[in-house]
Amino acid sequence: QIQLVQSGPELKKPGESVKISCKASGYTFTDYAMHWVKQAPGKGLKWMGWINTYTGKPTYADDFKGRFVFSLEASASTANLQISNLKNEDTATYFCARLVNNPYVMDAWGQGASVTVSS
Amino acid sequence: DIQMTQAPSSLPASLGDRVTITCRASQDIGNYLRWFQQKPGKSPRLMIYGATNLAAGVPSRFSGSRSGSDYSLTISSLESEDMADYYCLQSKESPFTFGSGTKLEIK
Repeated sequence: QIQLVQSGPELKKPGESVKISCKASGYTFTDYAMHWVKQAPGKGLKWMGWINTYTGKPTYADDFKGRFVFSLEASASTANLQISNLKNEDTATYFCARLVNNPYVMDAWGQGASVTVSS
Repeated sequence: DIQMTQAPSSLPASLGDRVTITCRASQDIGNYLRWFQQKPGKSPRLMIYGATNLAAGVPSRFSGSRSGSDYSLTISSLESEDMADYYCLQSKESPFTFGSGTKLEIK
């Protein structure tokens, strides 16, 4: 079955970097884009952008340009999110998600990866 | 960017009630509208896709509808397991945008 399995919780200090992984299984990884979604504690869902898993080209929402990098390890069916120069406001759960505008292709979500930024 | 205005932000309701949550799109999104349910500590669960289509495994008391730029999620008879946060998402064009969310709680 289709699964997206994300890496574990992270505790970081301001200014540090973090890399979150999202390993896909049960389908051909390069067939569908991977999206990233942020949810700060007690807040709503915010779409961060997506990466074309075939070409590796990332697209970032305006609020996530600069310190955020989407990347791939296609041979390992894995998408990564790296955040540099961490700030307190980056404390959140980050979800990877397969969102496809095709009624015959099921959505899939990772379980979420918690990042806490605290000095 | 397309804005999704979701209302209400909070919806106290009783078991058995019929409830409706609405998202209004600032531009045409056709039927590129999903509804998600999210419970604490969990990933969002797809409830409705293509504005009106019930996702696999979702109880038939859930339904989605569209009237122009207004999209609605209706629960015909509220059950305790439906208490959760609900979000709409437009995927017509990038950047995708979520509604601000509705907290459905027991009155």
